[in-house]
Amino acid sequence: EAEVAQSPRYKITEKSQAVAFWCDPISGHATLYWYRQILGQGPELLVQFQDESVVDDSQLPKDRFSAERLKGVDSTLKIQPAELGDSAMYLCASSPPSGTASYEQYFGPGTRLTVT
Amino acid sequence: GQNIDQPTEMTATEGAIVQINCTYQTSGFNGLFWYQQHAGEAPTFLSYNVLDGLEEKGRFSSFLSRSKGYSYLLLKELQMKDSASYLCAVSPPFSGGYNKLIFGAGTRLAVHP
Repeated sequence: EAEVAQSPRYKITEKSQAVAFWCDPISGHATLYWYRQILGQGPELLVQFQDESVVDDSQLPKDRFSAERLKGVDSTLKIQPAELGDSAMYLCASSPPSGTASYEQYFGPGTRLTVT
Repeated sequence: GQNIDQPTEMTATEGAIVQINCTYQTSGFNGLFWYQQHAGEAPTFLSYNVLDGLEEKGRFSSFLSRSKGYSYLLLKELQMKDSASYLCAVSPPFSGGYNKLIFGAGTRLAVHP
């Protein structure tokens, strides 16, 4: 069964350092999402891509966060500089093209970030 | 905007039935989802309701009342492996044809023998 891949699974970094996360969605899934999940809360959407275009980044802290999906396949989320409050699980999800069962999002295993 | 409320924690006994409620207030609505999330793992899809009524899928059922802004997830014949967080999520109206989800904080369910 196809899965969303993410790496690394765990990352510990010091505040003010840069950190990057990678996501490879399920093949053929045009829509890709990055979520942040703080312990004890639900996932919060940071950015949504349709192919290589950003369609929603209204909750992305653009002064320190950036995201790209250059070829419309895999994606990278970067934080620079990291702050203590960025400690969270970063989840990537993808969904099939519209017109199919596009309502379901498939999540990757996540990257657990700890900022010290 | 969207405001989604669900209980923080629930406990239940193995073999029993439990109902997890979710209420929402949205400026628009395009469907309601339930996801299961075990500790330290990714959420996995359980159900999707867009019309009023009950959707049944094995031991899990989900109900929606759009007029009341209310949904519940019903878990029958509880098993220890059902101990997890259950996330209620609302899909706001399509924006340019693209779907998005807004999640509640989740309900942590503990199943005990």
